[in-house]
Amino acid sequence: AQRVTQPEKLLSVFKGAPVELKCNYSYSGSPELFWYVQYSRQRLQLLLRHISRESIKGFTADLNKGETSFHLKKPFAQEEDSAMYYCALRFYNTDKLIFGTGTRLQVFP
Amino acid sequence: GAGVSQSPSNKVTEKGKDVELRCDPISGHTALYWYRQSLGQGLEFLIYFQGNSAPDKSGLPSDRFSAERTGGSVSTLTIQRTQQEDSAVYLCASSPGAQVRIQPQHFGDGTRLSIL
Repeated sequence: AQRVTQPEKLLSVFKGAPVELKCNYSYSGSPELFWYVQYSRQRLQLLLRHISRESIKGFTADLNKGETSFHLKKPFAQEEDSAMYYCALRFYNTDKLIFGTGTRLQVFP
Repeated sequence: GAGVSQSPSNKVTEKGKDVELRCDPISGHTALYWYRQSLGQGLEFLIYFQGNSAPDKSGLPSDRFSAERTGGSVSTLTIQRTQQEDSAVYLCASSPGAQVRIQPQHFGDGTRLSIL
């Protein structure tokens, strides 16, 4: 079955520290993966997608098919990065996404 | 419109009552999604509409839940005989859909539903 697992409900770091939000997936086909973010009092929005191989707000995520992972990383966390982060997997060739349970990132000053 | 609009923003009702939640997608978006966001459960997929195709209802948790989309635009999620476990934030999203490459989903602010 298709599944996205985010093992950490809460991740707390100090400003300037590296951060890695873990995401593992279970999928039988060729996966397409995304990270969505929800800042306080804002709407859920797309952060980045693995196909684009982009860096957004200093965040990157590499798809590792061998480990079935798509961890989100940033070398130096900022206070404004504090938010709820969701990893998502595209369901076959549809527009449907399967989301993980989310990880709350807290960055302390 | 400027974005996905959901109403009401908050709804408090008694157990056993029916509720209707409304979603206005971005104009021109053919795909519309409903999710439920609750503590510890993350984002739970409920239902997905794509153009004139039959909706994907695989995420609806029980037959008390139903949704419709009239005229390919506005959607209503109905919960009958509400239970306390239905308390959650209900999110709607839309996307252009029917593209070769999957498009980002644009989310509304959600409706916070509280069942007393």
